[in-house]
Amino acid sequence: GAVVSQHPSRVICKSGTSVKIECRSLDFQATTMFWYRQFPKKSLMLMATSNEGSKATYEQGVEKDKFLINHASLTLSTLTVTSAHPEDSSFYICSARDHALAYNEQFFGPGTRLTVL
Amino acid sequence: AQTVTQSQPEMSVQEAETVTLSCTYDTSESDYYLFWYKQPPSRQMILVIRQEAYKQQNATENRFSVNFQKAAKSFSLKISDSQLGDAAMYFCAYKGEYNAGNMLTFGGGTRLMVKP
Repeated sequence: GAVVSQHPSRVICKSGTSVKIECRSLDFQATTMFWYRQFPKKSLMLMATSNEGSKATYEQGVEKDKFLINHASLTLSTLTVTSAHPEDSSFYICSARDHALAYNEQFFGPGTRLTVL
Repeated sequence: AQTVTQSQPEMSVQEAETVTLSCTYDTSESDYYLFWYKQPPSRQMILVIRQEAYKQQNATENRFSVNFQKAAKSFSLKISDSQLGDAAMYFCAYKGEYNAGNMLTFGGGTRLMVKP
């Protein structure tokens, strides 16, 4: 089955530093990937849609200069949290859409827990 | 805009019993897909079941089945013969057929507890 990996699984950083999270589709090509944020005991909130070879589409209220998304290849999208602050601490999940499948099904990565001190 | 509502923040079921999780949605589209995802403590999102809106027949996957009522915009999940491993957060999700972004809209989730 389709597998999506995320790296790192958890990261702790100091306030003011930048953190990069990678999302990879391991056995399929994904022209579209999605980045979500999930607070404890809450649902997934879509942050942005990442399209290979073009600029990401950000949801309302998500700062594009703070959450930089790059989708440089058909199997890799990265989310960089710039100048991280404690309020950026959260669980970040990516998903990738397999265009070859019916329903354009999305497959989810295992998530990355970010803690900003 | 589409919205998905899960009115039960928490549900509890005895092992081997049956439980039904509720989901309602609001949309003006006629063609769409509905999903139930499971998120266990590992936080990995797992697709449980999907339903195409144009299909009248309710989807089933082993112990999991849905009751899809298109007119009422209701999409409930029934788990039969509940097992301890079914304990998780369950999210209902919607995707429009002609949604250019093909993004999913999630409900707030229902935490299912299974009692031994």
